[in-house]
Amino acid sequence: AQSVTQLGSHVSVSEGALVLLRCNYSSSVPPYLFWYVQYPNQGLQLLLKYTTGATLVKGINGFEAEFKKSETSFHLTKPSAHMSDAAEYFCAVSDAGGSYIPTFGRGTSLIVHP
Amino acid sequence: ETGVTQSPTHLIKTRGQQVTLRCSSQSGHNTVSWYQQALGQGPQFIFQYYREEENGRGNFPPRFSGLQFPNYSSELNVNALELDDSALYLCASSPGTSGSGETQYFGPGTRLLVL
Repeated sequence: AQSVTQLGSHVSVSEGALVLLRCNYSSSVPPYLFWYVQYPNQGLQLLLKYTTGATLVKGINGFEAEFKKSETSFHLTKPSAHMSDAAEYFCAVSDAGGSYIPTFGRGTSLIVHP
Repeated sequence: ETGVTQSPTHLIKTRGQQVTLRCSSQSGHNTVSWYQQALGQGPQFIFQYYREEENGRGNFPPRFSGLQFPNYSSELNVNALELDDSALYLCASSPGTSGSGETQYFGPGTRLLVL
């Protein structure tokens, strides 16, 4: 069984400030981890994913995330927020090499103030 | 290259009715997954189809069923609609079953309202 917890349903930052969106997971087997972004009235777009290899993963739009096995975390960061980053962000986990049943977190809404 | 498209964009039904939602996969993709996203929640996996066969299913009752066609377009059918079925239904396609780490490409969704 696997689960995802996203701490904070809303995160508010000023333009130019650091963005940190938290994700913790539980999985009985090695996980694959994903971050998706959803803009209003649109589907999900993959930001980045961790499958194997380097634990620091770089994605699109300047986002990155680090897989920390000891902390069961996969937090998403961006050094400097832009107004265009305002959206809903979802963390997801699936079992590496297992049957494809991904589990998504409830999402974190990122609000960017001018 | 055409992305994933879904139709209709919005739909209103009443309890007990049946609904069919459609998805056209991205070109070259032979795997499609369907998700239900209730308001304020993350997407929940319904099922996945690979080359016209069901390849995995989440915790949804049998009244949720699907089809994938030879051209890899897909349908989601829901019978005996309930109020709780009101949600955004997302379709996602991927190139093939290279495993659970494969990148999925999502369509914009169909918003279903059950009255």
